[in-house]
Amino acid sequence: EVQLVESGGGLVQPGRSLRLSCAASGFTFDDYAMHWVRQAPGKGLEWVSGISWNSGSIGYADSVKGRFTISRDNAKNSLYLQMNSLRAEDTALYYCAKDYGDYVQDDAFDIWGQGTMVTVSS
Amino acid sequence: QSVLTQPPSVSGAPGQRVTISCTGSSSNIGAGYDVHWYQQLPGTAPKLLIYGNSNRPSGVPDRFSGSKSGTSASLAITGLQAEDEADYYCQSYDSSLSAHVVFGGGTKLTVL
Repeated sequence: EVQLVESGGGLVQPGRSLRLSCAASGFTFDDYAMHWVRQAPGKGLEWVSGISWNSGSIGYADSVKGRFTISRDNAKNSLYLQMNSLRAEDTALYYCAKDYGDYVQDDAFDIWGQGTMVTVSS
Repeated sequence: QSVLTQPPSVSGAPGQRVTISCTGSSSNIGAGYDVHWYQQLPGTAPKLLIYGNSNRPSGVPDRFSGSKSGTSASLAITGLQAEDEADYYCQSYDSSLSAHVVFGGGTKLTVL
């Protein structure tokens, strides 16, 4: 079964850090680009970051550039998001999503995880 | 403010046809980048509904169709059913200064 399972969310104080993980199974992980997409409570989807199959191409939304770092370990079939200097506006459900293609371009996201909640509050 | 503009809400009676628009610009949809559509049922993760402007993944009913023209795209749902009540999002790619993936703001479909 093709599956993405996120973990690492929780309650964190403003200014602190958190690392999200996404475990992939059921497909050849290193053939595809991967992404993080977030959804604030009651709001729409916001693309956060994407990484190509070989980590050679990476992109970030302006809202997180310089604070968040995406990475992947193809040997472990895992995707990560290191989030530093967290702000209240980063509070959201963070989804891991599989790209149809191998680079961060205009391909669709065909597989989504169930998400992990991040709450930034003092 | 989303790069791709969708109407906040649309509604229709069972059996009717509704369309949801997604308006972009020359740096995204108008530049030739593909548009994709997702359905998000309450409390669940988004699900791919239409990819590559007009293609349906396996298992998606043919009541759902997509099209693209110029700087806009549309999702059409015919034979509206109660279970279609959900949020719908369009997605594309933007090649402006901060080249990245972009989503529309989402449209809430209410089945009357």
